[in-house]
Amino acid sequence: DTAVSQTPKYLVTQMGNDKSIKCEQNLGHDTMYWYKQDSKKFLKIMFSYNNKELIINETVPNRFSPKSPDKAHLNLHINSLELGDSAVYFCASSQEDNNSPLHFGNGTRLTVT
Amino acid sequence: SQKIEQNSEALNIQEGKTATLTCNYTNYSPAYLQWYRQDPGRGPVFLLLIRENEKEKRKERLKVTFDTTLKQSLFHITASQPADSATYLCALANSGNTPLVFGKGTRLSVIA
Repeated sequence: DTAVSQTPKYLVTQMGNDKSIKCEQNLGHDTMYWYKQDSKKFLKIMFSYNNKELIINETVPNRFSPKSPDKAHLNLHINSLELGDSAVYFCASSQEDNNSPLHFGNGTRLTVT
Repeated sequence: SQKIEQNSEALNIQEGKTATLTCNYTNYSPAYLQWYRQDPGRGPVFLLLIRENEKEKRKERLKVTFDTTLKQSLFHITASQPADSATYLCALANSGNTPLVFGKGTRLSVIA
């Protein structure tokens, strides 16, 4: 039933490790996103994909690499994790129309120690 | 520089009153503006969208206004209930393939 689901919900790892977060949407949407919400609750766009193609890549270190195997999935791989990467990462999807609202997953809380 | 400001980080109101949240923006020409609700440990949930040519939009106890001259949107919850307690985020985008940009949110607490 879940429209946008992301796993894992919690991720605790050490500096220098590589980790992935998975996201799937069953809404038939064409566009998917990754947002980062930091400790001050500020929600910031990282990436946007439309039909498996990268549309938006905000100023994000290239240690972050999104991968979209099909338009229902957008995974986020992070290399060489740093303390400052600790945050909640949200996946979202929308119709292609720019007016469309975003449907968010419930987030992955990443803690880097 | 571009800014979206939700002027209250936190707002406490009595149950039954109308809550009014403000979203101001600078150096944007948004085609539309959206409001979301976020509960602790959850992702934001879409509430309302208002376009630049619309002055007001309503949905049940919610009302949103959009004043492109003042560069401001107001979000009202009438007859507020403790269940309305959450963080409310405004978000906007210029037309075209620009991403939705969020304000920092206002944490609303409705006290019984």
